[in-house]
Amino acid sequence: DADVTQTPRNRITKTGKRIMLECSQTKGHDRMYWYRQDPGLGLRLIYYSFDVKDINKGEISDGYSVSRQAQAKFSLSLESAIPNQTALYFCATSDLLRGEQFFGPGTRLTVL
Amino acid sequence: GDSVTQMEGPVTLSEEAFLTINCTYTATGYPSLFWYVQYPGEGLQLLLKATKADDKGSNKGFEATYRKETTSFHLEKGSVQVSDSAVYFCALSSLTGNQFYFGTGTSLTVIP
Repeated sequence: DADVTQTPRNRITKTGKRIMLECSQTKGHDRMYWYRQDPGLGLRLIYYSFDVKDINKGEISDGYSVSRQAQAKFSLSLESAIPNQTALYFCATSDLLRGEQFFGPGTRLTVL
Repeated sequence: GDSVTQMEGPVTLSEEAFLTINCTYTATGYPSLFWYVQYPGEGLQLLLKATKADDKGSNKGFEATYRKETTSFHLEKGSVQVSDSAVYFCALSSLTGNQFYFGTGTSLTVIP
């Protein structure tokens, strides 16, 4: 079973709709992250959380919100989707000792 | 602030050619350095890492050496295969471990 899972894997929605992307992990890591990937721009950090009570904005948090429901779950919401939020979204986890991040398979979101 | 700059692509090589993808970084202190690989339709996977100066990370025939004097972490492989076709990301973890920074990615295509 995958250590970091994301649902849905693909989503097409319309402008103005509320969308939630979900991430679950079985790695037991405290730290979780949401990134978006756009061609030529690499990965940009949206939000991150170091534990259930800790939420931090990343580089591009405008238009997004998150919820850390449990150590293993971290959800990303688009309150009112717009076309320039069309992108590939990745969830990641890490622990401080090892340093590296572990990624989910991604969610491809298209906003029409 | 901390940042990573990597060689722009795309890169196209013939099978068995030598690969170098350049990566330089700006950081306070001594960050940990990583190379990730993203195969088509998948999330990012850790390829190799180095946590201190002069460390060499290696995996699957790829190597990178942490060069403090040139602030570089170039990725190399002596003989690429078609299966190495992917996007490669250089990344660093800040001294505190609280932030992770990615380069923009380099697309590699290996032709038979």
